[in-house]
Amino acid sequence: DAKTTQPTSMDCAEGRAANLPCNHSTISGNEYVYWYRQIHSQGPQYIIHGLKNNETNEMASLIITEDRKSSTLILPHATLRDTAVYYCIASQGNLIFGKGTKLSVKP
Amino acid sequence: ETGVTQTPRHLVMGMTNKKSLKCEQHLGHNAMYWYKQSAKKPLELMFVYSLEERVENNSVPSRFSPECPNSSHLFLHLHTLQPEDSALYLCASSQGTYNQPQHFGDGTRLSIL
Repeated sequence: DAKTTQPTSMDCAEGRAANLPCNHSTISGNEYVYWYRQIHSQGPQYIIHGLKNNETNEMASLIITEDRKSSTLILPHATLRDTAVYYCIASQGNLIFGKGTKLSVKP
Repeated sequence: ETGVTQTPRHLVMGMTNKKSLKCEQHLGHNAMYWYKQSAKKPLELMFVYSLEERVENNSVPSRFSPECPNSSHLFLHLHTLQPEDSALYLCASSQGTYNQPQHFGDGTRLSIL
C-alpha cells in the first residue's frame, strides 16, 4: 500500500467547510483512496472512497488530483459532531492506518 | 453504525484467564477482520478471513486464536495474555477483500491485570 501523509491536526469553525488534505505520491494505478474517521471510543467509520474521479455522498466530497498524488476530503458544513481523527488510506486491499488528522470543530 | 456488533464492549481479565471476543456482522459481507488499537498507536491488522478461510495472519502471537464459523461471525479467543495486550480490539467486515470499504464495530476495550 502507498504511504500517505496528512497534517497532524486542523481546526475548523462550525458551519464552515472542512478541507482535509492528503498526499499519496507513490499511489499505484489500482489503489483506491479511502477516508475513514474515528470519534473517541468508537470504531472507525467509513466516509468515502475513490479511484480517479471526484466522489460525493451524503457525508462528504472527495477531490482527487488528476495525477492522483494527492486528495482532499471536504466536509461541506462542519458540525461539532465532526470532531474526530480522519484517516486517509491508499490501498487495493488491506487498510494500513497511519496517525491521521485530528480535526477539531469549534463553535 | 449497527451493521457490525462486538461483544463485550469492555473486558477485564487476568493473565491466566481464557476469554473470547465476539463479532457479528449484519451486512451480508463475506470478509471479516480483527484489528488491535493500542493507546496512541495506529490500528494494526491482526487477521483477515475471506469466505470463512483465514487469508492473513500478521505475525500475531499464538495467545490470540481467531475463529470464523460462518461469514457472519468472527471470534477472537484469548489465552494467557500479557499486560501489553491491553488495547481496543476492533472487528470489521467487507464484501470481498479487494477494493471494498470495510465497516467497523465499536470494539472491545480489553484490560489485562
